[in-house]
Amino acid sequence: DGGITQSPKYLFRKEGQNVTLSCEQNLNHDAMYWYRQDPGQGLRLIYYSQIVNDFQKGDIAEGYSVSREKKESFPLTVTSAQKNPTAFYLCASTLQGGNQPQHFGDGTRLSIL
Amino acid sequence: QKEVEQDPGPLSVPEGAIVSLNCTYSNSAFQYFMWYRQYSRKGPELLMYTYSSGNKEDGRFTAQVDKSSKYISLFIRDSQPSDSATYLCAMSVSQAGTALIFGKGTTLSVSS
Repeated sequence: DGGITQSPKYLFRKEGQNVTLSCEQNLNHDAMYWYRQDPGQGLRLIYYSQIVNDFQKGDIAEGYSVSREKKESFPLTVTSAQKNPTAFYLCASTLQGGNQPQHFGDGTRLSIL
Repeated sequence: QKEVEQDPGPLSVPEGAIVSLNCTYSNSAFQYFMWYRQYSRKGPELLMYTYSSGNKEDGRFTAQVDKSSKYISLFIRDSQPSDSATYLCAMSVSQAGTALIFGKGTTLSVSS
């Protein structure tokens, strides 16, 4: 079955620690996205990538970093510079052409220890 | 003014009711409009996807877009307890691959 897999489902971060969230898709989609969801805030874009080895900052990129070394993978690192990392993180992907809708993974919930 | 406004609810209805969910937006460049359903602790699931103005129907769901009023709606007929979820509207301009702009979501509860 094609889809988007996010792991882990739950993650805990200690003070000063960097953590990496995984996102893998087998849909052969070109573009991938990371969103953050907070209660009452909706989804906000962190980073997105339209092709391998290229990515752009979204609205709330500070304290986060990404890489896109493979088409199917778009990991997100939450660095120690992100002072309020507790949130639900969602990865999405889409085909590049034809304005296709985005499809989402089932998210990673990150909490502070 | 926020780009996309959506009443967070909560909205509570009895089983079998017709539900109307709405979003307004300010950017007239939006061309593509989506409705996602999100169950607790899960990712958003695409329900409806429409281009420009008009109606689109899929089973019990109908999406309407009125670009002149900058207003979109999702109607759910014969609502079921399994429809209880948060409904997110989203929209984008015509450029492929750009990010979506989301409303904050409306929480719906359908009681049996």
